Amino acid sequence: AQSVSQHNHHVILSEAASLELGCNYSYGGTVNLFWYVQYPGQHLQLLLKYFSGDPLVKGIKGFEAEFIKSKFSFNLRKPSVQWSDTAEYFCAVNPGGSYIPTFGRGTSLIVHP
Amino acid sequence: GAVVSQHPSWVICKSGTSVKIECRSLDFQATTMFWYRQFPKQSLMLMATSNEGSKATYEQGVEKDKFLINHASLTLSTLTVTSAHPEDSSFYICSASGSAQETQYFGPGTRLLVL
Repeated sequence: AQSVSQHNHHVILSEAASLELGCNYSYGGTVNLFWYVQYPGQHLQLLLKYFSGDPLVKGIKGFEAEFIKSKFSFNLRKPSVQWSDTAEYFCAVNPGGSYIPTFGRGTSLIVHP
Repeated sequence: GAVVSQHPSWVICKSGTSVKIECRSLDFQATTMFWYRQFPKQSLMLMATSNEGSKATYEQGVEKDKFLINHASLTLSTLTVTSAHPEDSSFYICSASGSAQETQYFGPGTRLLVL
């Protein structure tokens, strides 16, 4: 069975610091990749997604992610975080042809002023 | 953008009672809806996938007789937790996808507490 690993479970940053959250998956074929964010007390929202094309994907709120097929990775980045980015971040992977995702366990990001 | 609602947002019930949670897609037709369970500080665990008008497909280890799912229309799916026990207390989240089935839109979740 495929798996999705998010190695950083808890990340604490100061405002304006750069962010990179790791996501690795185990499926060997074509994949669709997603990053979701869950702000405190709110529901999951789609940050960005990759289906095909340019492996560097731009999302909302200044986030981007890079798909590196050889490394089975889809890391999330933001050059300068804000306090409002405090949230849980989930990576999700759909094997090609499937619409059922596998979620990573999430990374809790705390940004302090 | 696509909006998915859940009702109720939270519910407290006595052990042994049944609880129904509704999931609605408000501005699109959801051919597929998903039900997840989220434990504190953990990821989403997919419980079942339902397509409109057909029986739900349950993930391994999920009791279909305990978690009844009905997807009666393209905008509504319901999850009924039957004979709830304290260990069923959790955060239940639904999501919906349209005809492209490529992106899921999530509801705000329902927090269930069984006493």
